[in-house]
Amino acid sequence: EAGVAQSPRYKIIEKRQSVAFWCNPISGHATLYWYQQILGQGPKLLIQFQNNGVVDDSQLPKDRFSAERLKGVDSTLKIQPAKLEDSAVYLCASSPGGLAWETQYFGPGTRLLVL
Amino acid sequence: AQSVTQPDIHITVSEGASLELRCNYSYGATPYLFWYVQSPGQGLQLLLKYFSGDTLVQGIKGFEAEFKRSQSSFNLRKPSVHWSDAAEYFCAVATTSGTYKYIFGTGTRLKVLA
Repeated sequence: EAGVAQSPRYKIIEKRQSVAFWCNPISGHATLYWYQQILGQGPKLLIQFQNNGVVDDSQLPKDRFSAERLKGVDSTLKIQPAKLEDSAVYLCASSPGGLAWETQYFGPGTRLLVL
Repeated sequence: AQSVTQPDIHITVSEGASLELRCNYSYGATPYLFWYVQSPGQGLQLLLKYFSGDTLVQGIKGFEAEFKRSQSSFNLRKPSVHWSDAAEYFCAVATTSGTYKYIFGTGTRLKVLA
């Protein structure tokens, strides 16, 4: 079974530029998550999708971050314009139904450096 | 508010020694608790989880964890560490009201000496 795929793996941009990350979850998983992991910290949930609808985006900085999950499968996360403090690893995860006891399966992440 | 505390940022053990990583949580209801491991350049992998039943949980790679409600703890243990266990370990609690989501601790980085 293929795991969660993410691209690119690494990205370096200058502040005020825009960047987009892509995630393809495990086939059949209804729930998709985007996390931000800043160096030295645990992952922080940015947004959670159930199929193609947003379940929780309370910690998403909506003035610069946006995300979509068209057709309820793959997803893109965009930052525009980027700030220095956005340097982090962006992790995508998926789970079958979004229930509390379910395992979340994580992709390898995209490491973003904003200069 | 829900929170997870991992008091040890770094731990170093010798190969073959026993290991215990600490995790304390703050949550009003019965928590769903998880331990994940993150190797360099990789995503997080589930080691084990607890949501009901036996408070001693067995996981993959020889790890186990014990849920102690009275101490609000969910410590991870392994009787004999292998060099390949060097990684970062995250404890997480899943909220069970409203939308379900994980709250992660800050992680413990494990170094294994040969």
